Amino acid sequence: AQSVTQPDIHITVSEGASLELRCNYSYGATPYLFWYVQSPGQGLQLLLKYFSGDTLVQGIKGFEAEFKRSQSSFNLRKPSVHWSDAAEYFCAVDPTGGGSNYKLTFGKGTLLTVNP
Amino acid sequence: NAGVTQTPKFRVLKTGQSMTLLCAQDMNHEYMYWYRQDPGMGLRLIHYSVGEGTTAKGEVPDGYNVSRLKKQNFLLGLESAAPSQTSVYFCASSSEDAYYEQYFGPGTRLTVT
Repeated sequence: AQSVTQPDIHITVSEGASLELRCNYSYGATPYLFWYVQSPGQGLQLLLKYFSGDTLVQGIKGFEAEFKRSQSSFNLRKPSVHWSDAAEYFCAVDPTGGGSNYKLTFGKGTLLTVNP
Repeated sequence: NAGVTQTPKFRVLKTGQSMTLLCAQDMNHEYMYWYRQDPGMGLRLIHYSVGEGTTAKGEVPDGYNVSRLKKQNFLLGLESAAPSQTSVYFCASSSEDAYYEQYFGPGTRLTVT
């Protein structure tokens, strides 16, 4: 079945440590890929996007993500986490790769806790 | 600019009651969406609209209706609320050129008893 999967429900890291959040997809063609962040009590905000080309994309707030076609993955990374990064992170896809779709499918989210 | 606003922020309904959630955006966006967020389920699309006067079903449309009579407003209706509709509801909007960059409202927490 076509899906987007975030294997980790909850991750805890120490402030200053590096971070990697996993996202895997299973679609026939390469979808458009996105990461969103939801701070506590708020709506979601787009962090970064991947359409094609360079497989390492930069986003806001110091985040980056790497697309790996062979692994059907689009993992989110940050070299040094700040306490303000504590939030829930959602991977999202447009399975049509920009076709007449207009909508996204979201993963179930990964909750990030940052210890001081 | 207020961005995307949602009314009300909280609501408690009894089973069988009806209500309407209002979403308004001031960014002149063509596309608008209603999602529900449940623990461990992520965001699921209920209905969406690609322009004034148009609506379409999303992933979980049953028990909900929507209307988009004005470009800036997108209404979500529950005709006969059920406990399974207890959730946090988010509205979002996006431009036609960047449909993937959705701007979200603050959410409405609905409890159906």
